[in-house]
Amino acid sequence: EAGVVQSPRYKIIEKKQPVAFWCNPISGHNTLYWYRQNLGQGPELLIRYENEEAVDDSQLPKDRFSAERLKGVDSTLKIQPAELGDSAVYLCASSLNGPTKQFFGPGTRLTVL
Amino acid sequence: DAKTTQPNSMESNEEEPVHLPCNHSTISGTDYIHWYRQLPSQGPEYVIHGLTSNVNNRMASLAIAEDRKSSTLILHRATLRDAAVYYCILTGGGNKLTFGTGTQLKVEL
Repeated sequence: EAGVVQSPRYKIIEKKQPVAFWCNPISGHNTLYWYRQNLGQGPELLIRYENEEAVDDSQLPKDRFSAERLKGVDSTLKIQPAELGDSAVYLCASSLNGPTKQFFGPGTRLTVL
Repeated sequence: DAKTTQPNSMESNEEEPVHLPCNHSTISGTDYIHWYRQLPSQGPEYVIHGLTSNVNNRMASLAIAEDRKSSTLILHRATLRDAAVYYCILTGGGNKLTFGTGTQLKVEL
């Protein structure tokens, strides 16, 4: 069974540029999560989708971050414009029912110069 | 969500058992105890979870104190591949995982 797929794996951009991350969850998983992980810290939830609906986006900085999950499968997380403090690893995870067994992708390491 | 406390780091020798502690004195009756681990340059990986009773699976065992204010993740025979950051997380009605900084496990030959 294929795991959670994320692309790109690495991205280097200059500040004020836009950037987008893509996630393909495990087939059949209705719940999808985006996390941000700063160096030396645990992942922090940004947004959670149940099918197509964003049910928890309380930690998403809405002035510059946006996300979508069209057709309840793939998802895209966008930052526009990026700031230096956005440098982090962005992780996507999916689960079948609830938060218990989440399957994480390898993450996208973003560096903003 | 209730908070957990874990040691910053622990060391073990290969093929020896490892006991990773977690304190959660403010746990509520509906909070599940979850353990995830994160190997270098990878996303977190589910290890085990439980509510009240001890749990075993192919990866590890989870021992939960009778008052549920603490728990221990047990790796029966540590290998070099078990070197990772181990996160102890509580979930209740919040329906989400809130990661702390975890315990960095180092395994030596």
